[in-house]
Amino acid sequence: EIVLTQSPDFQSVTPKENVTITCRASQSIGGTVYWYQQKPDQSPKLLIKYASQSFSGVPSRFSDSGSGTDFTLTINSLEAEDAATYYCHQNNGLPWTFGQGTKVEIK
Amino acid sequence: QITLKESGPTLVKPTQTLTLTCTFSGFSLTTRGVSVGWIRQTPGKALEWLAFIYWDDDKRYSPSLKSRLTISKDTSKNQVVLTMTNMDPVDTATYYCAHRPFGGGFDPWGQGILVTVSS
Repeated sequence: EIVLTQSPDFQSVTPKENVTITCRASQSIGGTVYWYQQKPDQSPKLLIKYASQSFSGVPSRFSDSGSGTDFTLTINSLEAEDAATYYCHQNNGLPWTFGQGTKVEIK
Repeated sequence: QITLKESGPTLVKPTQTLTLTCTFSGFSLTTRGVSVGWIRQTPGKALEWLAFIYWDDDKRYSPSLKSRLTISKDTSKNQVVLTMTNMDPVDTATYYCAHRPFGGGFDPWGQGILVTVSS
């Protein structure tokens, strides 16, 4: 099983700061990691797939990078509405797995 | 617009079988490459993938739960059904179904259904 480990588990950030969340895989998974955003009492929402192909309606301040075992989600100039838990996910190898989540709080 | 909605019991007793139905709209599960998956989220917020079914009826299960899970589809009703046998209190979680396009991530997810396992 491919284990995804995110860091940090929690981050308290001031608006307009930049946020970086890392996702490390226990073995190489190529270039495919998906990022989800989950706000309180909501379902997870697909934010970015690999190669920074963000979805329509996703603000451009969200970007990602990485390949192999190390992946990064960056939020540039954080806004209050970005308070959420972020998860990485791989479906390169079965069983599909998720990171444990990174909670981003707004100071 | 793609939407999915989970339905089923919100309370089951230990050892019982859970049957959840995912009713969807906005896509067809006969379209090549499309799949529907089930994911659960524990009270501690960890996400765990359970199973998925492809347009061609190919199915995959989480190895740790494979002996307890069955996934099926009814394309005429736009539904995917997940059964999980021998429920235990540790299976208490919010269960989600989600659409997955060819080569993509889960998008979108249903609203989820909280299932509590308790006597």
